[in-house]
Amino acid sequence: EAQVTQNPRYLITVTGKKLTVTCSQNMNHEYMSWYRQDPGLGLRQIYYSMNVEVTDKGDVPEGYKVSRKEKRNFPLILESPSPNQTSLYFCASSPSGRNTEAFFGQGTRLTVV
Amino acid sequence: AQKITQTQPGMFVQEKEAVTLDCTYDTSDPSYGLFWYKQPSSGEMIFLIYQGSYDQQNATEGRYSLNFQKARKSANLVISASQLGDSAMYFCAMREEYGNKLVFGAGTILRVKS
Repeated sequence: EAQVTQNPRYLITVTGKKLTVTCSQNMNHEYMSWYRQDPGLGLRQIYYSMNVEVTDKGDVPEGYKVSRKEKRNFPLILESPSPNQTSLYFCASSPSGRNTEAFFGQGTRLTVV
Repeated sequence: AQKITQTQPGMFVQEKEAVTLDCTYDTSDPSYGLFWYKQPSSGEMIFLIYQGSYDQQNATEGRYSLNFQKARKSANLVISASQLGDSAMYFCAMREEYGNKLVFGAGTILRVKS
């Protein structure tokens, strides 16, 4: 089954404790991205990757890191989480092109206390 | 820069009635795609419908149709014969030809009443 898998689904952590949210897709998509969803703001792009070893900042990259060592995996790293990073996070993948839908992971609800 | 505006924070519709969710967009790229996603209370993002900027006809997918008015830069989602299961958050999104980035609106919460 074609899918994007994120883990964990839920995470409560403390300020400053490094964490990683994993994302894996099995559709051989070139393009992967991370979004955060906050009430009234919709989904905003954090980072994206056009292919292996190619990553770039989205609209809200501060406090986040990513890597793309393999085509299927695109982990999101929070080196020192802060309460303002409490949010719902989505990983998405798609083939290149304007007419291709993005496939989303199940979402990760992160709370930083 | 590309931008999506959804002006309706929340909507109510009676079961079996039709409802229109508004979406306007802004872009300087002549080639782009418009998408609608549904997010039920469980949180997942479900793709509903796509419209390309060069498509001559409005897109339809079952009970979903997209009222595409290019000159007005609007891409409204029409849901016919609403069902209780249509209660969800709905997002309009756009992707330009070469950017690959999907830009989202703030969303509209739809509640279907029985």
